[in-house]
Amino acid sequence: GNSVTQMEGPVTLSEEAFLTINCTYTATGYPSLFWYVQYPGEGLQLLLKATKADDKGSNKGFEATYRKETTSFHLEKGSVQVSDSAVYFCALFRRGGSYIPTFGRGTSLIVHP
Amino acid sequence: GAVVSQHPSRVICKSGTSVKIECRSLDFQATTMFWYRQFPKKSLMLMATSNEGSKATYEQGVEKDKFLINHASLTLSTLTVTSAHPEDSSFYICSASFRLADTDTQYFGPGTRLTVL
Repeated sequence: GNSVTQMEGPVTLSEEAFLTINCTYTATGYPSLFWYVQYPGEGLQLLLKATKADDKGSNKGFEATYRKETTSFHLEKGSVQVSDSAVYFCALFRRGGSYIPTFGRGTSLIVHP
Repeated sequence: GAVVSQHPSRVICKSGTSVKIECRSLDFQATTMFWYRQFPKKSLMLMATSNEGSKATYEQGVEKDKFLINHASLTLSTLTVTSAHPEDSSFYICSASFRLADTDTQYFGPGTRLTVL
């Protein structure tokens, strides 16, 4: 079956530090890959997505590249802010037909001033 | 665009009562809606998948008779927690998806915090 593995958190950084949150997946076929962000007490918001190999999703300074050869979709940001503190979820959806979305367990990011 | 709302955002009820949570896609017609339960340490558990006009597909271990899902239209799905007990207290999140350019993307509601006394 499909699965998504994220690095354990929390990840604690100082403001303006470089961020990487690792995500690897196993899936049949050609899934679409997503990063969602959840702020305290809220639902999940779509952060970025990539639908095929070598695609790069980007939004709000965050980037992730769909790497089929390493089955990875690592999230990066060059300079984090305190307001980026949240929980980040990596997810995959198999394209086409019926599908069940698969989420990672989430990685908590804490950014200190 | 792609806004999903949930109502209510918070609900407190007595043990044994039933609670209904609504999920609406406000500016698009959702081909599929999903219901999740999120536990305190942030893990997201898919409870069921529903398509408009058909019965929901429940994940293994989720009681169909306890968590009733109705998907009456392309913009509305409801989750009813029947005979709620304290262990049902949780954060319930819905999402709605539609296909755009051969990609299905899920858009999430803000969640509903259920507390059963």
